[in-house]
Amino acid sequence: GAVVSQHPSWVICKSGTSVKIECRSLDFQATTMFWYRQFPKQSLMLMATSNEGSKATYEQGVEKDKFLINHASLTLSTLTVTSAHPEDSSFYICSADGERYNEQFFGPGTRLTVL
Amino acid sequence: GQSLEQPSEVTAVEGAIVQINCTYQTSGFYGLSWYQQHDGGAPTFLSYNALDGLEETGRFSSFLSRSDSYGYLLLQELQMKDSASYFCAVRDGTSGSARQLTFGSGTQLTVLP
Repeated sequence: GAVVSQHPSWVICKSGTSVKIECRSLDFQATTMFWYRQFPKQSLMLMATSNEGSKATYEQGVEKDKFLINHASLTLSTLTVTSAHPEDSSFYICSADGERYNEQFFGPGTRLTVL
Repeated sequence: GQSLEQPSEVTAVEGAIVQINCTYQTSGFYGLSWYQQHDGGAPTFLSYNALDGLEETGRFSSFLSRSDSYGYLLLQELQMKDSASYFCAVRDGTSGSARQLTFGSGTQLTVLP
């Protein structure tokens, strides 16, 4: 099956710094990728839809200037958390559409801890 | 908007059968998916129903009734490794991307020996 990777798998940073998370589709091309955030014991909340070559579409309540998304190629989308604060600490997961309509493949997630 | 409801917790013993229900309210509907997530891991796809009826994949089956806005995941011959969170998710097509998923709150399944 299709593989989606994320890097890094975990990161600890100081408050006020920026963190970049990469999401790659390893053996297929993904014109659309999705970024989710998941707090402990909670569901996955969609943050934004990332489209290759165009601006991301953000969900209501998600600050686009704080969570910068770039989808520069068919295999790579990046999420940059700018000026991170402790409340941004969460599990960030990306996914990519497969060829079949019902397929969506998830990356392993990135655990962000902001001190 | 869209909302999905599923039980927060289910407990069963090894070898048993368990059913996790999901009811949904969406403006549009393209299908109901089920995902499994172990602690600290990524969601993994289990099944997808676009039409009414039962889909069977090994020990797992999923059912959908579009008229009732209801579906369930059936897990048979439970194993300890099935202990995980299970999420139902809908594709509602109301956003720019019909492939967007909205997830339910998740059901924590605990399998006891």
